[in-house]
Parts: sequence; structure tokens; C-alpha cells
Amino acid sequence: EAGVTQSPTHLIKTRGQQATLRCSPISGHTSVYWYQQALGLGLQFLLWYDEGEERNRGNFPPRFSGRQFPNYSSELNVNALELEDSALYLCASGSLQSVGAPDTQYFGPGTRLTVL
Amino acid sequence: DAKTTQPTSMDCAEGRAANLPCNHSTISGNEYVYWYRQIHSQGPQYIIHGLKNNETNEMASLIITEDRKSSTLILPHATLRDTAVYYCIVRPYNNNDMRFGAGTRLTVKP
Repeated sequence: EAGVTQSPTHLIKTRGQQATLRCSPISGHTSVYWYQQALGLGLQFLLWYDEGEERNRGNFPPRFSGRQFPNYSSELNVNALELEDSALYLCASGSLQSVGAPDTQYFGPGTRLTVL
Repeated sequence: DAKTTQPTSMDCAEGRAANLPCNHSTISGNEYVYWYRQIHSQGPQYIIHGLKNNETNEMASLIITEDRKSSTLILPHATLRDTAVYYCIVRPYNNNDMRFGAGTRLTVKP
């Protein structure tokens, strides 16, 4: 079974530009989560999509946005890039294993975004 | 969400069991304990999770105390490839985002 895939592996942008990151979930998973991991910092929750809808977002400005497509893949868009947006962006997809339990999230390898 | 407390770092000899503690003294009845690990600059890897009972899978065992205020992740025979940052996360059943702390950096030494 293929795992979560993300593209591109690396992305270099300059300040003010826009970045688009892509994620394909594990087959059968309907939820996609995005996390940011800046250098030396922990993983910070960004966004959660399920069945095409944004379900929750973390404490990030509106220039971080995304969408989920009918095939459950997802895009994360970061507008007006700032230097501090340089980070590893991780996508996870979720599998609900039992009623009344949170889903188990499986992570992709990440996209490393560098803003110059 | 309940907060977790983990040691910053631990060492373990190769071939020995690695026991990683996690304190979650404010955990509530509907909150699960999840463990993930992250090898340098890779995506976190799911290890195991539990609610009340001890759990075991092919990777590890999870021991949860009877009062659920702490847990221990056990890697029975640590190898050099188990060197990673290990995260203990407490999640309520209806919360679908995960809040990661600083984790424990486990170093397995030859």
C-alpha cells in the first residue's frame, strides 16, 4: 500500500511570492492534515480537511490556505511569503480505526520550503 | 487537551530495551495516548496508541498506568535505527489535530 506522498520535495521561493505544496493521501483516507515544522521548533498544526471541507485550522494567518479535491488530495497555498515561512511542511492523512476514537494519522516525507 | 511531559533526551545501548516515559497527569477519560517518532528531517512515524489498556504491536509496547496519569513506550530491542525524537501526544476522541510537544531525543549507542 502506497503511503502519503508530497511534492515537491524541495521548494525555493523569494519573499512575497506564493508557494503551492501538494499532498496525496493513503488510498481510502478522507482526511488530510497539514503541519509546519520550522527549524528547531516542534510540529505546529496548520489545517485539517475532510471530505473536501476545511474542518479546523491552527493559529496561522489567512495567507496560509488550502483545499481538498474530490479525490481527497490536497494543496497548501502560502501567499506573500515571509522569511519565517521557511520550514518543513508535513502532510498527514487520517484513518478512523474505531467509533469514538481519534483517527490515526500517517505522515508523508514533507516538503522543505526555503524563502530567500 | 492534556499536556504531556517527557525527558529531553535519553540514551540506550543497542540491543537493550528502551523505556521512554511520558507524564500526562491531567488526562481525562476520553483522551487517548499516541506515540510517534521522527527520524531527522523525515515525516513522523506512527508507533502505537492506547486508551486504558496496555498495547503491543510489531514496533513497541505501550504501558499505561492504572490511573492513566503516565505511560511508558517500550522498544524491546533497540537498534541504531531507533535513534529519533519520540513524541507522546494526548488526544481526545473528537479532536482530529495533534499537538506535538518537544519530545524525547533517544540516542541508541553501539
